[in-house]
Amino acid sequence: DAKTTQPPSMDCAEGRAANLPCNHSTISGNEYVYWYRQIHSQGPQYIIHGLKNNETNEMASLIITEDRKSSTLILPHATLRDTAVYYCIVRVRGSQGNLIFGKGTKLSVKP
Amino acid sequence: KAGVTQTPRYLIKTRGQQVTLSCSPISGHRSVSWYQQTPGQGLQFLFEYFSETQRNKGNFPGRFSGRQFSNSRSEMNVSTLELGDSALYLCASSLAGQEAQPQHFGDGTRLSIL
Repeated sequence: DAKTTQPPSMDCAEGRAANLPCNHSTISGNEYVYWYRQIHSQGPQYIIHGLKNNETNEMASLIITEDRKSSTLILPHATLRDTAVYYCIVRVRGSQGNLIFGKGTKLSVKP
Repeated sequence: KAGVTQTPRYLIKTRGQQVTLSCSPISGHRSVSWYQQTPGQGLQFLFEYFSETQRNKGNFPGRFSGRQFSNSRSEMNVSTLELGDSALYLCASSLAGQEAQPQHFGDGTRLSIL
């Protein structure tokens, strides 16, 4: 599975949009981009995933560049409860088994 | 719909003992994976089970083992516990056989070795 690069930390003001970047320049055509987050003392929570089109659900939006070498997770109106470590993971289409977690981005939402 | 349930939530053991952790997947999910999370190594994959068979394994010693039952529930066992086994053990389940289905995690079992 391709490697991802994320900034170690970011801050965001409460009520503003949080834009979390992820670089996956070696991604293959058959690899999906997944986003998870982990709030302290809890298990990782699935947020969203996509292949090449932009995706939106009730939690967030995922914007994937046309060349698929990077993506951005957008939390449209961040709240204090969105403070967490966010992981961007690339995974082969149809693959089973393991997710490879990097160090993620620690997002701090401040009042 | 109930999420992934892991029991117990907390466990304290001493070196040399063994431990068994339990995971009940989301109803209908047939694939169960286990991960270890430590401050130093982060989240690392242990193994994955599907239809009572281990089909993927991470780079952990043989002291770490698991199994899956016919109802998809899974257990993992660690024998001859070492101080370094202190960690959060996470279980995740997914709909196997369906492309791109995400894994959903439980809140883990925190194991402390004294």
